[in-house]
Amino acid sequence: AQSVTQLDSHVSVSEGTPVLLRCNYSSSYSPSLFWYVQHPNKGLQLLLKYTSAATLVKGINGFEAEFKKSETSFHLTKPSAHMSDAAEYFCVVSSARQLTFGSGTQLTVLP
Amino acid sequence: DTGVSQNPRHKITKRGQNVTFRCDPISEHNRLYWYRQTLGQGPEFLTYFQNEAQLEKSRLLSDRFSAERPKGSFSTLEIQRTEQGDSAMYLCASSLDFQPFDRPLAEQYFGPGTRLTVT
Repeated sequence: AQSVTQLDSHVSVSEGTPVLLRCNYSSSYSPSLFWYVQHPNKGLQLLLKYTSAATLVKGINGFEAEFKKSETSFHLTKPSAHMSDAAEYFCVVSSARQLTFGSGTQLTVLP
Repeated sequence: DTGVSQNPRHKITKRGQNVTFRCDPISEHNRLYWYRQTLGQGPEFLTYFQNEAQLEKSRLLSDRFSAERPKGSFSTLEIQRTEQGDSAMYLCASSLDFQPFDRPLAEQYFGPGTRLTVT
């Protein structure tokens, strides 16, 4: 069995400040992990993926995530938030059978 | 760039009616997935196909739900005798995935979804 816990349902940051979205996972074997972003009225877009290569993964739009096996975490970060980053973010764990999504973190970027 | 497309984008139906949704995946992708997303939640897996074969079905997929991918290209999801609890966003995704079946799934590319409202 696998599961994903996104530790914050809402995060607010000011434009230009760092972003941290937290994710913990549980998996019975070495998983693949993803972050997806969902803007209103748009489809889910893949931000980045971890597939057992480098533990620090760089994605699109300046986002990156670090896989920490000892902490079973895969937190998403960005050094400087932009207004266009406001959206819902999903941490996802992949097994051989399906993707399991977290419940999402709504990111608000304040001017 | 032709991504995953879904039709219709919105569907309003009365309880007890049947509805059918269509998904057209990215053309060279061999796998196709259906998910359901309710307000404030992440998508939940329903079923997936490799080419035309339906390989996995979630327990969420009751007997009223059926999915097909007859020629290994587009797919349809039908809900019979709709209930108010079926109101949700239905998402389709596709992937190009030749991993062995004991390896994690590759990344998936999602369509915009079909929003179903059952009144």
